[in-house]
Amino acid sequence: NAGVTQTPKFRVLKTGQSMTLLCAQDMNHEYMYWYRQDPGMGLRLIHYSVGEGTTAKGEVPDGYNVSRLKKQNFLLGLESAAPSQTSVYFCASNLLAGGTQETQYFGPGTRLLVL
Amino acid sequence: GENVEQHPSTLSVQEGDSAVIKCTYSDSASNYFPWYKQELGKRPQLIIDIRSNVGEKKDQRIAVTLNKTAKHFSLHITETQPEDSAVYFCAASIRGGSYIPTFGRGTSLIVHP
Repeated sequence: NAGVTQTPKFRVLKTGQSMTLLCAQDMNHEYMYWYRQDPGMGLRLIHYSVGEGTTAKGEVPDGYNVSRLKKQNFLLGLESAAPSQTSVYFCASNLLAGGTQETQYFGPGTRLLVL
Repeated sequence: GENVEQHPSTLSVQEGDSAVIKCTYSDSASNYFPWYKQELGKRPQLIIDIRSNVGEKKDQRIAVTLNKTAKHFSLHITETQPEDSAVYFCAASIRGGSYIPTFGRGTSLIVHP
């Protein structure tokens, strides 16, 4: 049981390049989330998904797209990277709303540097 | 939408002292309040949570209190140790609703030996 994993761990991009961050969970969780973490800003929600095939915008969705084609995977795409997207990206998941399933399990993070 | 304010942003204490971190929330419908600890370079991990039908919850040296009327909740760490040094995040969400949590901006706790 690997929990929540993220690929890659670290990436350097040039402005305008594109990339996809992969989040995978093996806990059969329904909800998945993408956050970015910047100094002093806490965890800001980019996009989230409440089930396979569904996605929704969070607090800071501009410049990002997501897909949830399979229940266990949640992909975050940057079509044209900008220096403002330099950040640490965390994926998280939880089973369902309600009961004790609210606990979010986070991935190890992806450090992205856009030059 | 929900807004969560967290204070202080930085807290420095001596080993053995107590530490208190406070959060306020805006949506009276919020009823689930987790706290996460993030050590340097690591992922956030849940350390304790409280639901709105409970006023206080303890787990060894950590406790969380909730005041629904005032819409604030606090994390208390007693007998702090250097390994408690980390960033702590509070969050608020609605059980049975969309659930999507709103996080505070975090408190950097430094425990000096």
